[in-house]
Order: sequence, then C-alpha cells, then structure tokens
Amino acid sequence: DAKTTQPTSMDCAEGRAANLPCNHSTISGNEYVYWYRQIHSQGPQYIIHGLKNNETNEMASLIITEDRKSSTLILPHATLRDTAVYYCIVRVPLSNFGNEKLTFGTGTRLTIIP
Amino acid sequence: DAGITQSPRHKVTETGTPVTLRCHQTENHRYMYWYRQDPGHGLRLIHYSYGVKDTDKGEVSDGYSVSRSKTEDFLLTLESATSSQTSVYFCAISDSFRAIQPQHFGDGTRLSIL
Repeated sequence: DAKTTQPTSMDCAEGRAANLPCNHSTISGNEYVYWYRQIHSQGPQYIIHGLKNNETNEMASLIITEDRKSSTLILPHATLRDTAVYYCIVRVPLSNFGNEKLTFGTGTRLTIIP
Repeated sequence: DAGITQSPRHKVTETGTPVTLRCHQTENHRYMYWYRQDPGHGLRLIHYSYGVKDTDKGEVSDGYSVSRSKTEDFLLTLESATSSQTSVYFCAISDSFRAIQPQHFGDGTRLSIL
C-alpha cells in the first residue's frame, strides 16, 4: 500500500469547516483513498472513501486532486464531538486472498476549539 | 453502528497465563480481523478470517492463535501471555474482501500483562 503523510495535529474552531490534508504521492491507479477517525478510547470509525472522483456523505466530503497525489477530508461544520485522530489510508483492492490489512499511520490529531 | 461486541473490555493477567478475547458480530459479515494498537505503531493486523474455519496470519501473528467455528464469533488466544502483548486489541468486520468495502471496528479490549 502507498505511504501517506498527514500533519501531526490541527485545530479548528467549532462551527467552521475542518480541512484535513493527506499526501499520497506514490498512489497507484487502482488504490482507493480511505478516511477513518478514532475518538479517544473507541475503535476506529469509517468516514468515507474514494478512487478519483470527489465524494460526499452525511459525515464529510473527500476531495481528491486530479493527479490523485493528495486529498482533503472536509468536515463542513465541525463540532466538539469531531475531536479525534483522523487517518488517511490508501489501499488496493485484492482479487484473491492475501494479507488484507489496513495500514494506519499516526494520523492527524484534530482538536475542535469551542 | 455495526453490531460488534468485544469481550472482555478490560483484562489484567499475569505473564504465562492463557488469555482468550472474543469478538461477536450480528452483521453476518464474512470477514473478521484482529488488530492490536500500540503507541507509535498505529494498528497492526494480527490475524484475519475469510470464513468459518478459514483464517490467515497478519503482520504480527507470533504468539497468537485464532479460531472461528461460526460466522458470528472470532476468538483470539494468547497461549502464554507475555508483557509485550500488553495492548489494546480491536476486532473489525467487513462485508467483502474487496477494498471498496470498509472495515468496521469494535470498541476494543484493553489487555494488561503483568
């Protein structure tokens, strides 16, 4: 799986949009971009994923650059409950049984400021 | 949230004792995974299962065994616990082995080996 680079930490004011960047410059054509978050003492929570088109769901939007070398997760109206560590992961679909795993890096610690 | 229950949620035990952690799902998903999470290492895959009685090793499988006798239960066993196995253990499930299906995680088991 391609390596990802994220800032170690970010702050965002409550009610504002939180924009979390991720660099994945070595991504290959068939690798998807996934975002998960982990709130303290809980298991990781799936947020969104995409291949090359921008995606939106009830939690967030995912913007992937045209060259696919970077992406941004957008939380449109951040709340205090969005304080968490956010992980950007790239992953290739497997056509057979292999060592399927999610490789979580150290992520971005997002703090929402009241 | 996906119906995943991990038990116990917390356990303290002594070096050399056997320990079994249980993951129970109510989603009828085919694939189940065990990860451990340690500071500075992110999540690392221990073992995974792609069906009843079908399991395979992950990247940190030494010292661990697993069993899956029915779809809903995936057991992780430490045959003789060591202090290096002190960690937070997460179970995950997914509906498909293909990358476009996200994994959903339980809330973890915090295991301390004294």
